[in-house]
Amino acid sequence: EVQLVESGGALVQPGGSLRLSCLASGFTFGGYWMTWVRQAPGKGLEWVANIKEDGSEKYYVDSVKGRFTISRDNAKNSLFLQMDSLRGEDTAVYYCTRSFFCARCNGNWADDYWGQGTLVTVSS
Amino acid sequence: DIQMAQSPASLSASVGDRVTLTCRPSQTIDIYLNWYQQKPGKAPKLLIYAASNLQSGVPSRFGGSGSGAEFTLTISSLKPEDFATYYCQQTFTTPWTFGQGTRVEIK
Repeated sequence: EVQLVESGGALVQPGGSLRLSCLASGFTFGGYWMTWVRQAPGKGLEWVANIKEDGSEKYYVDSVKGRFTISRDNAKNSLFLQMDSLRGEDTAVYYCTRSFFCARCNGNWADDYWGQGTLVTVSS
Repeated sequence: DIQMAQSPASLSASVGDRVTLTCRPSQTIDIYLNWYQQKPGKAPKLLIYAASNLQSGVPSRFGGSGSGAEFTLTISSLKPEDFATYYCQQTFTTPWTFGQGTRVEIK
């Protein structure tokens, strides 16, 4: 059974830092792109960043570029999100997702498994 | 960034109704379009990928169609467990953006 378990969410002051973790199990972690998606309280979903299987490619939404860093440790089946210079608008539940590539679908990507999320609150 | 416009923002329907949700990207995206269902306090769940492919384990009353710049999610006969918020997502180019969601409520 595929499982993604996030941790590390907390209350942090503006300008502070936090590191989120996602522990994966039930699949070959190193064989998949992984993604972080967030959801502010009462709001919709926002894609944050993703990372290639071997960590050699990373992509970010503009609002977090230069402040957030996505990384992974395939030996430990773990995905990370280092969040620096946090702002109030970063307050959200952060979800870790597995992204799968459908070669027969013209190369479509989709997030087929999601963790339960971890809450990050940025406030003084 | 590609903007995703979902309509309606919300709708009220009864059990057994057929409902259609629409998603329009700000530019053409071929079939790089997914649909997710989210219930309160839960993580989203993938329903449809690549516009029309039913994710494993998802009931056949859910169907997706469209390509390019207009997509639809249809629920052929609403069941009580289908009352939720539905999001479309484009994966044509990063950042992979979501629509604002359509909330399906009980009439």
